Amino acid sequence: GAGVSQSPSNKVTEKGKDVELRCDPISGHTALYWYRQSLGQGLEFLIYFQGNSAPDKSGLPSDRFSAERTGGSVSTLTIQRTQQEDSAVYLCASSSRLAGVLPYFGPGTRLTVT
Amino acid sequence: TQLLEQSPQFLSIQEGENLTVYCNSSSVFSSLQWYRQEPGEGPVLLVTVVTGGEVKKLKRLTFQFGDARKDSSLHITAAQTGDTGLYLCAGAQGGKLIFGQGTELSVKP
Repeated sequence: GAGVSQSPSNKVTEKGKDVELRCDPISGHTALYWYRQSLGQGLEFLIYFQGNSAPDKSGLPSDRFSAERTGGSVSTLTIQRTQQEDSAVYLCASSSRLAGVLPYFGPGTRLTVT
Repeated sequence: TQLLEQSPQFLSIQEGENLTVYCNSSSVFSSLQWYRQEPGEGPVLLVTVVTGGEVKKLKRLTFQFGDARKDSSLHITAAQTGDTGLYLCAGAQGGKLIFGQGTELSVKP
C-alpha cells in the first residue's frame, strides 16, 4: 500500500483481556514508531524500532505492554490484562531512517477498554 | 516532564481572524516539525524548520523557528473553517520525535 496501515481501526475489549494491534509500515521504511494519544492530547512515545531491534522502549507504560517487529516490516503491539486507562488511540509511524527523515503516520487504532 | 509546551491548548475563533500558536522548550532541537491532525486520522506533516531564525510560508500559514532553536510559532492568516483541527509541534530527540500536547483550533463560520 501507499501509506502506513493499522488494524483493527477500532477495538473494544473487556478489562483484563489481552489485545494485539498491528502496524504495516511503508515498504522499505526501516524505522517504525508506536505512539499513544488520549482524547484531544498530544502523542506519547511508546517504542521505536530500527529494523527488528528496539533501541528505545522507554515509553512503554508497564510490563503489560510489549511490541515486536519481524522481517523489518510488520509490527505488533500487545497489551496484556488491559485496564481502562489503556483506552486511547494507538498510532504507528514509519520513516526511511531515524527521525532525521520525518515519519508518516497511520490512521491509528482506537482502543476502548470497558 | 513535558519537553515541548504548546499554547494555547484551545483556540476558538471566527473565520477571517488571524491566530498564532506557540511551541516552547528549554531544550535545543536540531529541527522542529508542525503537524495537523483531523479526527480519526493520523497527524500529517505540515513543515520542518531547521535553521535558527528560519521562516517558512505555506499559503496562509507562516512558521518560524527561534534563533536559539528552542521555540517555534505557527501563524495563520485569515483562518478558514477548513483550518479546524489539532496542531502539534514535535522535535527530534534521541532517535524519536517528542510531541507537544497540541493546540485544538476551531474556526467558526
